[in-house]
Amino acid sequence: GESVGLHLPTLSVQEGDNSIINCAYSNSASDYFIWYKQESGKGPQFIIDIRSNMDKRQGQRVTVLLNKTVKHLSLQIAATQPGDSAVYFCAENFPGSARQLTFGSGTQLTVLP
Amino acid sequence: GAGVSQSPSNKVTEKGKDVELRCDPISGHTALYWYRQSLGQGLEFLIYFQGNSAPDKSGLPSDRFSAERTGGSVSTLTIQRTQQEDSAVYLCASSRRQGGNTIYFGEGSWLTVV
Repeated sequence: GESVGLHLPTLSVQEGDNSIINCAYSNSASDYFIWYKQESGKGPQFIIDIRSNMDKRQGQRVTVLLNKTVKHLSLQIAATQPGDSAVYFCAENFPGSARQLTFGSGTQLTVLP
Repeated sequence: GAGVSQSPSNKVTEKGKDVELRCDPISGHTALYWYRQSLGQGLEFLIYFQGNSAPDKSGLPSDRFSAERTGGSVSTLTIQRTQQEDSAVYLCASSRRQGGNTIYFGEGSWLTVV
């Protein structure tokens, strides 16, 4: 399954399938991006980050892709597991911003058995 | 400590009362942030502290909200004369320094105003 931008707040995938969560960021000068996972009742948990001089970065079962041309960020989760069910936020940092990170509204990922 | 610590984890207060929320950042982190998250919503920036610099208070929603950071470490967010719309999760986060560094969050303080 795939979500497009932040206008589709929910995504349901079958256990074992790959998930793709998309995010459109706002500022072309942003130089650092982070994906956070937030489980119900908990604070956001860092998943993976990427700097603007990279197009792709891989972690354990997760990959972040950055397309600066269209200001698009995606998070790919391989072999999605029930424990991956959560809200996923992308965040961008643009230089000179005292606020540091601007967060998207999030995508709710539900993993179906 | 190992992570960002917040207290209380849950707070129920009566409308009109003042509340104080505490944040203990990760040791060595000079930057500290407060965010607010209403039910099912994204993160709303409130205030940012960096070292000894003047804080960025531009996200505070009203003058009932204030925050301080003593000794460059622990921070307290104070909400005066609480209103029902203040009910939310108040998240504290810290990072090593400003700009391009991972921000780590605490578990939040869940505030309910009745």
